[in-house]
Amino acid sequence: DGGITQSPKYLFRKEGQNVTLSCEQNLNHDAMYWYRQDPGQGLRLIYYSQIVNDFQKGDIAEGYSVSREKKESFPLTVTSAQKNPTAFYLCASSMQGRFYGYTFGSGTRLTVV
Amino acid sequence: GQQVMQIPQYQHVQEGEDFTTYCNSSTTLSNIQWYKQRPGGHPVFLIQLVKSGEVKKQKRLTFQFGEAKKNSSLHITATQTTDVGTYFCAGLRGAGNMLTFGGGTRLMVKP
Repeated sequence: DGGITQSPKYLFRKEGQNVTLSCEQNLNHDAMYWYRQDPGQGLRLIYYSQIVNDFQKGDIAEGYSVSREKKESFPLTVTSAQKNPTAFYLCASSMQGRFYGYTFGSGTRLTVV
Repeated sequence: GQQVMQIPQYQHVQEGEDFTTYCNSSTTLSNIQWYKQRPGGHPVFLIQLVKSGEVKKQKRLTFQFGEAKKNSSLHITATQTTDVGTYFCAGLRGAGNMLTFGGGTRLMVKP
């Protein structure tokens, strides 16, 4: 079955450490996105990529980095520079073009301890 | 920048009652999308509205896009416990396919 796989489901990080969240899709979608969701809040865009080897900052990119070396993969690194990283991270993908809905992964819940 | 606001933030209803959530944008939208997120889950795409004044139905769910393409609503008739979750609207931003999400309306249904 086609879909998006995010791993791990839960992640605990010590302050000062970098961590990388995995996102893999087999939907053959060109565009991929990372969103952050805080409890009781909406989704805020961190980074997005419309084609391989290209990505753009979203609204809250500070303290995060991404890469897009393969069409299927869009990993997100949460660096130690991110002041408040505890959140639910959602990866999504869509077909290119303006009128396609997003398919979301099941998310990674990151907790800083 | 573009802002998308949703009201109410929370809604408690008795099973069988109707429910409506409203979405308002600070700018004209080329389209509006709606998503549902079950508790502990991830958002799932429900529908997209593109035309001014468009109305679409999915069983007990009715979606409307305003004439000015700056507002939208989702109405659920006779809620069921399976309707529990948070409903998000989202509008396209910029030239690409990036969405700006509203803050969501969390629906709780008492059996």
